[in-house]
Amino acid sequence: TQLLEQSPQFLSIQEGENLTVYCNSSSVFSSLQWYRQEPGEGPVLLVTVVTGGEVKKLKRLTFQFGDARKDSSLHITAAQPGDTGLYLCAGAQGGGSNYKLTFGKGTLLTVNP
Amino acid sequence: GAGVSQSPRYKVTKRGQDVALRCDPISGHVSLYWYRQALGQGPEFLTYFNYEAQQDKSGLPNDRFSAERPEGSISTLTIQRTEQRDSAMYRCASSLGTSGTYTYEQYFGPGTRLTVT
Repeated sequence: TQLLEQSPQFLSIQEGENLTVYCNSSSVFSSLQWYRQEPGEGPVLLVTVVTGGEVKKLKRLTFQFGDARKDSSLHITAAQPGDTGLYLCAGAQGGGSNYKLTFGKGTLLTVNP
Repeated sequence: GAGVSQSPRYKVTKRGQDVALRCDPISGHVSLYWYRQALGQGPEFLTYFNYEAQQDKSGLPNDRFSAERPEGSISTLTIQRTEQRDSAMYRCASSLGTSGTYTYEQYFGPGTRLTVT
Protein backbone atom coordinates (compact mmCIF):
# COMPACT_ATOMS: atom_id res chain seq x y z
CA THR A 1 0.00 0.00 0.00
CA GLN A 2 1.38 3.37 -1.01
CA LEU A 3 0.94 6.01 1.68
CA LEU A 4 1.30 9.76 1.47
CA GLU A 5 2.08 11.61 4.67
CA GLN A 6 1.22 15.29 4.77
CA SER A 7 2.56 17.79 7.26
CA PRO A 8 1.64 19.79 9.09
CA GLN A 9 -1.86 18.50 9.62
CA PHE A 10 -3.09 21.94 10.74
CA LEU A 11 -1.65 25.38 10.05
CA SER A 12 -2.99 28.74 11.19
CA ILE A 13 -1.16 31.87 10.06
CA GLN A 14 -1.68 35.57 9.60
CA GLU A 15 -2.35 37.22 6.27
CA GLY A 16 0.90 38.07 4.49
CA GLU A 17 2.97 35.24 5.96
CA ASN A 18 4.67 32.56 3.88
CA LEU A 19 4.17 28.86 4.43
CA THR A 20 5.24 25.47 3.16
CA VAL A 21 3.37 22.19 3.39
CA TYR A 22 4.90 18.82 2.70
CA CYS A 23 3.85 15.54 1.16
CA ASN A 24 6.12 12.55 1.72
CA SER A 25 6.13 8.88 0.83
CA SER A 26 8.46 5.93 0.77
CA SER A 27 7.03 4.99 -2.63
CA VAL A 28 7.73 6.38 -6.06
CA PHE A 29 4.85 7.95 -7.93
CA SER A 30 4.58 8.49 -11.67
CA SER A 31 2.94 11.84 -10.99
CA LEU A 32 1.65 13.82 -8.09
CA GLN A 33 -1.26 16.21 -7.89
CA TRP A 34 -2.18 18.93 -5.43
CA TYR A 35 -5.82 19.71 -4.70
CA ARG A 36 -7.55 22.38 -2.65
CA GLN A 37 -10.85 21.62 -0.97
CA GLU A 38 -13.21 24.14 0.57
CA PRO A 39 -15.89 23.20 3.12
CA GLY A 40 -18.87 21.49 1.51
CA GLU A 41 -17.14 21.15 -1.82
CA GLY A 42 -15.14 18.51 -3.65
CA PRO A 43 -11.37 18.79 -4.17
CA VAL A 44 -10.26 21.03 -7.04
CA LEU A 45 -7.03 20.30 -8.89
CA LEU A 46 -4.30 22.95 -8.56
CA VAL A 47 -1.38 21.32 -10.36
CA THR A 48 0.11 18.06 -11.61
CA VAL A 49 3.86 17.43 -11.38
CA VAL A 50 5.39 14.62 -13.38
CA THR A 51 9.15 14.97 -13.64
CA GLY A 52 11.52 14.53 -10.70
CA GLY A 53 12.81 17.94 -9.60
CA GLU A 54 10.03 19.74 -11.43
CA VAL A 55 8.95 23.14 -10.11
CA LYS A 56 5.66 24.72 -11.12
CA LYS A 57 4.33 28.12 -10.17
CA LEU A 58 0.72 29.18 -9.99
CA LYS A 59 0.58 32.85 -8.98
CA ARG A 60 1.69 32.86 -5.32
CA LEU A 61 1.84 29.06 -5.12
CA THR A 62 5.04 27.12 -5.91
CA PHE A 63 4.97 23.35 -6.23
CA GLN A 64 8.01 21.11 -6.28
CA PHE A 65 8.33 17.40 -7.01
CA GLY A 66 11.26 15.68 -5.35
CA ASP A 67 14.11 14.36 -7.47
CA ALA A 68 13.20 10.77 -6.59
CA ARG A 69 9.46 11.39 -7.15
CA LYS A 70 8.66 10.35 -3.60
CA ASP A 71 7.88 13.73 -2.10
CA SER A 72 6.51 17.14 -2.92
CA SER A 73 6.06 20.54 -1.35
CA LEU A 74 3.69 23.44 -1.76
CA HIS A 75 4.92 26.92 -0.85
CA ILE A 76 2.53 29.87 -0.58
CA THR A 77 3.91 33.38 -0.58
CA ALA A 78 2.07 36.22 1.15
CA ALA A 79 -0.90 34.09 2.13
CA GLN A 80 -4.37 35.60 1.89
CA PRO A 81 -7.61 34.64 3.65
CA GLY A 82 -8.87 33.27 0.34
CA ASP A 83 -6.13 30.61 0.52
CA THR A 84 -7.90 29.03 3.49
CA GLY A 85 -8.81 25.41 2.80
CA LEU A 86 -7.76 21.79 2.93
CA TYR A 87 -4.73 21.11 0.75
CA LEU A 88 -4.45 17.52 -0.45
CA CYS A 89 -1.69 15.79 -2.33
CA ALA A 90 -2.44 12.71 -4.40
CA GLY A 91 -0.07 10.32 -6.12
CA ALA A 92 -0.69 8.23 -9.22
CA GLN A 93 0.83 4.77 -9.41
CA GLY A 94 1.60 4.69 -13.11
CA GLY A 95 2.14 1.48 -15.02
CA GLY A 96 -1.34 1.65 -16.51
CA SER A 97 -2.89 2.60 -13.17
CA ASN A 98 -2.65 6.34 -13.51
CA TYR A 99 -6.34 6.58 -12.75
CA LYS A 100 -5.83 5.38 -9.18
CA LEU A 101 -4.97 8.27 -6.92
CA THR A 102 -3.71 7.78 -3.38
CA PHE A 103 -4.54 10.83 -1.31
CA GLY A 104 -2.82 12.14 1.78
CA LYS A 105 -4.87 13.22 4.79
CA GLY A 106 -4.38 16.87 3.94
CA THR A 107 -3.19 20.06 5.55
CA LEU A 108 -5.94 22.30 6.87
CA LEU A 109 -4.77 25.88 6.34
CA THR A 110 -6.40 28.87 7.99
CA VAL A 111 -5.24 32.35 7.00
CA ASN A 112 -6.43 34.97 9.43
CA PRO A 113 -7.02 38.56 8.23
CA GLY B 1 -20.84 23.90 -18.29
CA ALA B 2 -22.35 21.69 -15.65
CA GLY B 3 -20.02 19.92 -13.31
CA VAL B 4 -20.33 16.54 -11.67
CA SER B 5 -23.59 16.23 -9.78
CA GLN B 6 -24.52 13.78 -7.07
CA SER B 7 -27.78 12.91 -5.42
CA PRO B 8 -28.99 12.89 -2.82
CA ARG B 9 -26.69 15.41 -1.12
CA TYR B 10 -27.64 14.03 2.28
CA LYS B 11 -28.98 10.62 3.18
CA VAL B 12 -29.93 9.36 6.60
CA THR B 13 -30.80 5.71 6.79
CA LYS B 14 -31.31 3.08 9.43
CA ARG B 15 -28.88 0.27 9.94
CA GLY B 16 -29.74 -2.67 7.73
CA GLN B 17 -31.36 -0.66 4.96
CA ASP B 18 -30.01 -0.50 1.41
CA VAL B 19 -29.02 2.83 -0.12
CA ALA B 20 -28.29 3.91 -3.69
CA LEU B 21 -26.13 6.93 -4.39
CA ARG B 22 -26.20 8.51 -7.83
CA CYS B 23 -23.48 10.26 -9.80
CA ASP B 24 -24.00 12.23 -13.00
CA PRO B 25 -20.57 12.92 -14.55
CA ILE B 26 -19.57 15.76 -16.81
CA SER B 27 -20.91 15.15 -20.31
CA GLY B 28 -18.34 13.44 -22.50
CA HIS B 29 -16.19 12.22 -19.62
CA VAL B 30 -15.22 8.63 -20.24
CA SER B 31 -13.88 7.77 -16.81
CA LEU B 32 -15.77 7.79 -13.55
CA TYR B 33 -14.49 7.21 -10.03
CA TRP B 34 -16.05 6.67 -6.63
CA TYR B 35 -14.30 7.72 -3.43
CA ARG B 36 -15.15 7.71 0.24
CA GLN B 37 -13.95 10.58 2.38
CA ALA B 38 -13.99 10.57 6.17
CA LEU B 39 -14.05 13.85 8.03
CA GLY B 40 -10.61 15.40 8.08
CA GLN B 41 -9.17 12.82 5.68
CA GLY B 42 -8.37 12.69 2.01
CA PRO B 43 -10.60 10.76 -0.39
CA GLU B 44 -10.13 6.98 -0.46
CA PHE B 45 -10.46 5.20 -3.80
CA LEU B 46 -13.37 2.77 -4.10
CA THR B 47 -13.87 1.90 -7.76
CA TYR B 48 -13.30 3.09 -11.33
CA PHE B 49 -15.19 2.82 -14.62
CA ASN B 50 -14.03 3.36 -18.16
CA TYR B 51 -17.21 3.84 -20.20
CA GLU B 52 -19.54 1.19 -18.80
CA ALA B 53 -16.82 -1.24 -17.80
CA GLN B 54 -15.83 -1.45 -14.16
CA GLN B 55 -12.06 -1.62 -14.49
CA ASP B 56 -11.08 -1.65 -10.85
CA LYS B 57 -13.14 -2.34 -7.75
CA SER B 58 -10.27 -3.10 -5.45
CA GLY B 59 -11.20 -0.29 -3.05
CA LEU B 60 -14.71 -1.49 -2.29
CA PRO B 61 -14.61 -2.44 1.41
CA ASN B 62 -16.68 -5.63 1.15
CA ASP B 63 -19.34 -7.34 -0.91
CA ARG B 64 -22.12 -5.13 0.49
CA PHE B 65 -20.77 -2.40 -1.78
CA SER B 66 -21.37 -2.47 -5.52
CA ALA B 67 -21.38 0.01 -8.37
CA GLU B 68 -22.64 0.12 -11.90
CA ARG B 69 -22.58 2.41 -14.90
CA PRO B 70 -24.79 0.55 -17.40
CA GLU B 71 -24.80 3.10 -20.22
CA GLY B 72 -21.41 4.64 -19.65
CA SER B 73 -22.80 7.81 -18.15
CA ILE B 74 -24.70 7.92 -14.84
CA SER B 75 -23.37 5.66 -12.12
CA THR B 76 -24.94 4.24 -9.00
CA LEU B 77 -23.09 3.14 -5.88
CA THR B 78 -25.22 0.75 -3.84
CA ILE B 79 -24.61 -0.22 -0.24
CA GLN B 80 -26.65 -3.14 1.02
CA ARG B 81 -27.49 -3.81 4.67
CA THR B 82 -25.89 -0.57 5.77
CA GLU B 83 -23.87 -0.44 8.97
CA GLN B 84 -22.91 2.53 11.12
CA ARG B 85 -19.31 2.29 9.94
CA ASP B 86 -20.52 3.06 6.41
CA SER B 87 -21.29 6.64 7.48
CA ALA B 88 -19.09 8.96 5.43
CA MET B 89 -19.01 11.39 2.53
CA TYR B 90 -19.18 9.52 -0.76
CA ARG B 91 -17.69 11.43 -3.68
CA CYS B 92 -17.81 10.81 -7.36
CA ALA B 93 -15.31 12.18 -9.88
CA SER B 94 -15.06 12.06 -13.65
CA SER B 95 -12.30 12.68 -16.16
CA LEU B 96 -11.86 12.84 -19.92
CA GLY B 97 -10.15 9.48 -19.91
CA THR B 98 -7.10 7.69 -18.71
CA SER B 99 -3.70 7.03 -20.09
CA GLY B 100 -0.84 4.83 -19.15
CA THR B 101 1.47 7.80 -19.12
CA TYR B 102 -0.66 10.78 -18.18
CA THR B 103 -3.02 11.46 -15.30
CA TYR B 104 -6.06 13.34 -16.53
CA GLU B 105 -7.65 15.85 -14.21
CA GLN B 106 -10.42 14.39 -12.10
CA TYR B 107 -13.38 16.69 -11.46
CA PHE B 108 -15.08 15.97 -8.16
CA GLY B 109 -18.74 16.23 -7.31
CA PRO B 110 -20.12 17.78 -4.11
CA GLY B 111 -20.62 14.38 -2.53
CA THR B 112 -23.38 12.53 -0.70
CA ARG B 113 -23.19 12.66 3.07
CA LEU B 114 -24.43 9.28 4.29
CA THR B 115 -25.41 8.81 7.91
CA VAL B 116 -26.39 5.38 9.16
CA THR B 117 -28.25 5.44 12.47
